[in-house]
Amino acid sequence: KAGVTQTPRYLIKTRGQQVTLSCSPISGHRSVSWYQQTPGQGLQFLFEYFSETQRNKGNFPGRFSGRQFSNSRSEMNVSTLELGDSALYLCASSKDGSGISSYEQYFGPGTRLTVT
Amino acid sequence: GENVEQHPSTLSVQEGDSAVIKCTYSDSASNYFPWYKQELGKRPQLIIDIRSNVGEKKDQRIAVTLNKTAKHFSLHITETQPEDSAVYFCAASSVMRDGGSQGNLIFGKGTKLSVKP
Repeated sequence: KAGVTQTPRYLIKTRGQQVTLSCSPISGHRSVSWYQQTPGQGLQFLFEYFSETQRNKGNFPGRFSGRQFSNSRSEMNVSTLELGDSALYLCASSKDGSGISSYEQYFGPGTRLTVT
Repeated sequence: GENVEQHPSTLSVQEGDSAVIKCTYSDSASNYFPWYKQELGKRPQLIIDIRSNVGEKKDQRIAVTLNKTAKHFSLHITETQPEDSAVYFCAASSVMRDGGSQGNLIFGKGTKLSVKP
């Protein structure tokens, strides 16, 4: 079974621009969560999508948004980029639903975003 | 909201020794506690997890213990090997009654484990 994939893997943007990152979950997984990883703050939860609906949201400004499509693929968007948005953005998918291991989250390789 | 604290931030052991990493959480509603291993430049990998209805879980050289009353959980690695060197993250979240995850893992800051040959 293919793992979680993310595109692009690397991205360089300028302050004020916007960016869209994509995540394809493991086949059959219905939940997609997004995380920001930085050396200073570690791994921080951004939001979670399930059945095309945002189910949970972390403590990030409204410039960070996302969506999920009917095939469970997800995108996140960051508008008006700031230097502090430079980070590794990771998505993770889980089966969700009942049953053992349905809640285990598996991470993609991440998108390294650099804002200059 | 949930807050997870992890100690120590760095840990150095000799090959063959044991390593213990400890985490505490604040939200008594949290009932799912995974541990991830992240090697340099790679994605976090789930290595073991535990739910709040279990006090201990083992998988070969790795074990996790949970004390719900004290709100802390620990990762134990025995007979450490150089390939165990990595950053380890603990996390906490709530799993819904039907087993579905609330996929909002709250992570500790990580422990950099170095295993010296």
